[in-house]
Amino acid sequence: DTGVSQDPRHKITKRGQNVTFRCDPISEHNRLYWYRQTLGQGPEFLTYFQNEAQLEKSRLLSDRFSAERPKGSFSTLEIQRTEQGDSAMYLCASSLSQAGGTQYFGPGTRLLVL
Amino acid sequence: AQRVTQPEKLLSVFKGAPVELKCNYSYSGSPELFWYVQYSRQRLQLLLRHISRESIKGFTADLNKGETSFHLKKPFAQEEDSAMYYCALSRVNGNTGKLIFGQGTTLQVKP
Repeated sequence: DTGVSQDPRHKITKRGQNVTFRCDPISEHNRLYWYRQTLGQGPEFLTYFQNEAQLEKSRLLSDRFSAERPKGSFSTLEIQRTEQGDSAMYLCASSLSQAGGTQYFGPGTRLLVL
Repeated sequence: AQRVTQPEKLLSVFKGAPVELKCNYSYSGSPELFWYVQYSRQRLQLLLRHISRESIKGFTADLNKGETSFHLKKPFAQEEDSAMYYCALSRVNGNTGKLIFGQGTTLQVKP
């Protein structure tokens, strides 16, 4: 499968712990996006990278969240001091940077904070 | 404010019946509109986009700027159309391409 992959697929953690998720985009895609989806809602934009540069962050992304894409390939999303409200599906998508490039989504990482 | 509204959480129809999934948006600039679909146990995937003006799996959607709508239509629903459908928008020629999604509509096609 050469699509977008995410790891882990599921994560259960206790409140206050740190968690890190990984996203591997489609290899030739230079844009990478993170979204969060809670139950009954559509995905909400969190942040976006073009190559290794993080170019936009949503106001939803509190200081406890940090994302990196160090070599312009895979990306990590870290949540520090997790809270129960962080429980959600975290989706990664990638695309080419041409205007209107289709975003291809990964399977998501489901986080449950106890 | 940029917003996408899908007023129906669930739409249930019988096989062969016409389907219309509603989507309304508010956006101050020139939007690009999309429909994404998520079948059971599969990832989110693009169904169609308004600039392509194409029909995918028998579905069509027309952008109505006057009514700020982008409803998804299919004349004869099939059981395999059962899925979650999300309407989304982004800015035409935008720098980021980030998507703003609606809440989604579950389409249930009964035999």
